[in-house]
Amino acid sequence: AQTVTQSQPEMSVQEAETVTLSCTYDTSENNYYLFWYKQPPSRQMILVIRQEAYKQQNATENRFSVNFQKAAKSFSLKISDSQLGDTAMYFCAFMRNNAGNMLTFGGGTRLMVKP
Amino acid sequence: NAGVTQTPKFRVLKTGQSMTLLCAQDMNHEYMYWYRQDPGMGLRLIHYSVGEGTTAKGEVPDGYNVSRLKKQNFLLGLESAAPSQTSVYFCASSPPRPDTQYFGPGTRLTVL
Repeated sequence: AQTVTQSQPEMSVQEAETVTLSCTYDTSENNYYLFWYKQPPSRQMILVIRQEAYKQQNATENRFSVNFQKAAKSFSLKISDSQLGDTAMYFCAFMRNNAGNMLTFGGGTRLMVKP
Repeated sequence: NAGVTQTPKFRVLKTGQSMTLLCAQDMNHEYMYWYRQDPGMGLRLIHYSVGEGTTAKGEVPDGYNVSRLKKQNFLLGLESAAPSQTSVYFCASSPPRPDTQYFGPGTRLTVL
């Protein structure tokens, strides 16, 4: 079974600064997908960014980028120019490439962006 | 295009009562999922469906049943609610390939 670990329960960052959230996972699979989801106080789960394991290039979405280290089984999220609206829970998730495409989530990191 | 909707948004049950949570999606997705989220934790998969008329168990299926009679709907049932089932329940849907799952707004359920 896959496990996803987020070792930082809480983090804070000053507005306009950069912050990196950590995620590690354990799997014996070679082909899989990784995601970061954001959950603001509204509770809605919002996709931030995704990465296919077969792609060596790190994914980027505007101010959000990842550092994907396949050999180390590490998938960190970097948020640049942090904004107050980035305050939320952030969940790392793993998906095997198989029937069902089920997600396994980490425990989450609560990020507070301070003005 | 409403995406994924869930009914109801909130519910309080007494131990032993039953209820059904409804999930509907208008994106014509093949796959649908039910997750639960307990305080301070990530989401855990309860049951999922890869198509109309099919269902399968996830990580924490005990105490729940599901049905997928129509492609756009996925029902989650609690036959005899227990306080341990107090949680926030999320439904999600996705195309039949490794891809983003789209989530509903969640249902907060309290079992007294």
